[in-house]
Amino acid sequence: KAGVTQTPRYLIKTRGQQVTLSCSPISGHRSVSWYQQTPGQGLQFLFEYFSETQRNKGNFPGRFSGRQFSNSRSEMNVSTLELGDSALYLCASSSTGGFYEQYFGPGTRLTVT
Amino acid sequence: DAKTTQPPSMDCAEGRAANLPCNHSTISGNEYVYWYRQIHSQGPQYIIHGLKNNETNEMASLIITEDRKSSTLILPHATLRDTAVYYCIVRTNTGNQFYFGTGTSLTVIP
Repeated sequence: KAGVTQTPRYLIKTRGQQVTLSCSPISGHRSVSWYQQTPGQGLQFLFEYFSETQRNKGNFPGRFSGRQFSNSRSEMNVSTLELGDSALYLCASSSTGGFYEQYFGPGTRLTVT
Repeated sequence: DAKTTQPPSMDCAEGRAANLPCNHSTISGNEYVYWYRQIHSQGPQYIIHGLKNNETNEMASLIITEDRKSSTLILPHATLRDTAVYYCIVRTNTGNQFYFGTGTSLTVIP
């Protein structure tokens, strides 16, 4: 089975711009979660989508949004980028979204200049 | 949401068992304990999870105390490839949201 894939792997943007990151979950997995990882804050939960609906949301401003498509692929969008948004963005998928383990992708490294 | 406390770093000799402790004193009765690890520059990797009973799989063993306030992840024969940050996580009861904490940086020494 192919693992979780994320595109692009690396991205450089300028303050004020917006960015869209993509995540393709493992085949058959319907839950996709997004995390932000920075050296100062560690791994922080952004949101989770299950069957095209946002089911959980972390404590991030409204500039961070996401969506999930009918094929379970997910995108996250960050608008009006700030320097502090520079981070590794990780996507994870799981089969039920409930009690089962999450499988993480390699992440997208976003640098905001 | 239940939080976890882990030592920031540990060393272990190659070939010996690595025992990584975790405190989760505010865990609720229906919350599971999960362990993940993250090798530098990679996404976290699932290791094991449990509710009350001890669990074992091909990677590790999880020992949960009877009062469920703490647990220990055991890597029976640590190798250099086990060098990573290990996260002990308690799954919230409000959904599929994981609080990762700061983890334990395990260094396996040759």
